Amino acid sequence: DGGITQSPKYLFRKEGQNVTLSCEQNLNHDAMYWYRQDPGQGLRLIYYSQIVNDFQKGDIAEGYSVSREKKESFPLTVTSAQKNPTAFYLCASSITPLTGVSYEQYFGPGTRLTVT
Amino acid sequence: QKEVEQNSGPLSVPEGAIASLNCTYSDRGSQSFFWYRQYSGKSPELIMSIYSNGDKEDGRFTAQLNKASQYVSLLIRDSQPSDSATYLCAVAAYNFNKFYFGSGTKLNVKP
Repeated sequence: DGGITQSPKYLFRKEGQNVTLSCEQNLNHDAMYWYRQDPGQGLRLIYYSQIVNDFQKGDIAEGYSVSREKKESFPLTVTSAQKNPTAFYLCASSITPLTGVSYEQYFGPGTRLTVT
Repeated sequence: QKEVEQNSGPLSVPEGAIASLNCTYSDRGSQSFFWYRQYSGKSPELIMSIYSNGDKEDGRFTAQLNKASQYVSLLIRDSQPSDSATYLCAVAAYNFNKFYFGSGTKLNVKP
């Protein structure tokens, strides 16, 4: 059964703690993405990776870090430097784009992070 | 200026009616366009993708693209209460899979 899994579904942390969100996919997709969604807003890109051992910052990368050691996995660490970490975090994946064409991104179920 | 603009709604339609959702984008070089449905508390689910001008139909859904006007729309025929959700428009930058998402339009289908 192919898909994207994210864990945990809900996560609670104290301010000042780093926390790592898991994202795993078995779709054999090369590209993976992390988005953040705040209430009533669209998705904002945090980081993306098109190939193993390579990743790029998105529009709101400050206070976050990622790694891409395996094709299937793209964990996101929310550091204590992130000013407003409470949000809904979504991981997505897609096949590698061809020139001029971007392909569909498929989303995992998300992790809802609450920092107090 | 936002990259992708959508009316936040809510858009209310009676069951069985046609719901029309609209989206405008600012980057003329955009080549790929997508509609996602997101139920409250859930992750986005892909409904349609469209790459060329004109209409694309899939069941009760029709996506319409007009690149000259930088406009993409989604029509839902025979709307059902189960269609009640927030619909996100996504536009991809040329030559790369970086998506820009609108803030979504909330659709309410009344029984």
